[in-house]
Amino acid sequence: DGGITQSPKYLFRKEGQNVTLSCEQNLNHDAMYWYRQDPGQGLRLIYYSQIVNDFQKGDIAEGYSVSREKKESFPLTVTSAQKNPTAFYLCASSFGSATAYEQYFGPGTRLTVT
Amino acid sequence: QKEVEQDPGPLSVPEGAIVSLNCTYSNSAFQYFMWYRQYSRKGPELLMYTYSSGNKEDGRFTAQVDKSSKYISLFIRDSQPSDSATYLCAMKEGGANSKLTFGKGITLSVRP
Repeated sequence: DGGITQSPKYLFRKEGQNVTLSCEQNLNHDAMYWYRQDPGQGLRLIYYSQIVNDFQKGDIAEGYSVSREKKESFPLTVTSAQKNPTAFYLCASSFGSATAYEQYFGPGTRLTVT
Repeated sequence: QKEVEQDPGPLSVPEGAIVSLNCTYSNSAFQYFMWYRQYSRKGPELLMYTYSSGNKEDGRFTAQVDKSSKYISLFIRDSQPSDSATYLCAMKEGGANSKLTFGKGITLSVRP
């Protein structure tokens, strides 16, 4: 089955620790995205990548880092510099920038930092 | 003013009702207009998209775009309990810009 997998579904961390969220896709999509969703805030773009070894900051990149070493994988690291890391994190992919209106989303990872 | 504004809700309707969901926007460069549906604790899925102005129908769903008024709508006819979800509008400029701008979403509950 083609799709996007995110793991784990729930993640708990202590304040001050870095944590990496996994995102893998087998849709052969070029572009991948990371969003953060908070209650009443909608989806906010953290980082996106249109091609391997290249990525751009989104609207709220501070305190986050990404890598895109393989087409299938786009892990997100939430660093200790992120002031409010507790949120629902969604990974998405699309064929490319031209078809970016159709983004396929993973099931999300709910991160809780205490 | 935010780029995309969406009615905050929540919205509760009886089964069989016609539902109207709306978004306004300020960026005249937006050319693609989407509606995503998100069930509880799941990722969003694309429900409908429209390029530029006009109407698009898919079964019980109709998407409407009025670029002159910077206003988009999603109509759901004969609403069903299975339509209960959060609906997010999203918009995109043309060209190589791949970013989507989302509304905050509205949670719809359809009562049996």
